[in-house]
Amino acid sequence: AQSVAQPEDQVNVAEGNPLTVKCTYSVSGNPYLFWYVQYPNRGLQFLLKYITGDNLVKGSYGFEAEFNKSQTSFHLKKPSALVSDSALYFCAVRDRGNEKLTFGTGTRLTIIP
Amino acid sequence: EPEVTQTPSHQVTQMGQEVILRCVPISNHLYFYWYRQILGQKVEFLVSFYNNEISEKSEIFDDQFSVERPDGSNFTLKIRSTKLEDSAMYFCASTGGPRNTGELFFGEGSRLTVL
Repeated sequence: AQSVAQPEDQVNVAEGNPLTVKCTYSVSGNPYLFWYVQYPNRGLQFLLKYITGDNLVKGSYGFEAEFNKSQTSFHLKKPSALVSDSALYFCAVRDRGNEKLTFGTGTRLTIIP
Repeated sequence: EPEVTQTPSHQVTQMGQEVILRCVPISNHLYFYWYRQILGQKVEFLVSFYNNEISEKSEIFDDQFSVERPDGSNFTLKIRSTKLEDSAMYFCASTGGPRNTGELFFGEGSRLTVL
């Protein structure tokens, strides 16, 4: 079975500060990992993914994430937060051989001006 | 930029009624999905569809649910007899693949309210 944990329901960061949104996963094999963002009353928007290769992946809007196999983590990061980054962020995992993408419960990120 | 479109944006129905939610995936995509989100929180997988058949479904996707791609462009989700607990935001998604590594492109969602 595959699962994702986002341990923080809410993260508050001051504008201009670095941000981290945490994600850990569990799969039986090698994972495919994704981050999505959801703005109010909108669909989910793809940010970035890790499939293979370099553990640090870069995505849209200046976000990046680091795959850490030993800690089974895939934390989302940005060096300098913008107020417009305020949204709901979802980590997701897919085990190889599966169609199903399993989402975490989401982390609400609020950037304080 | 191509996008996934969904209709209706909001539907209110009485318990026991049939509902059809419609989606137009991105035109060259091959893999199609339905997810639902309850109360703006957890996003749950319902079903995946490829080559005109269901490729995977969750335990949520019971006999009350069905999917169809009737005309090569639309992708529909039917709920035969709605229950109160079916109230949720339903998202359609598609990907051009590869099947396991391709990112999903989501529509804006159809909000279903069952009274």
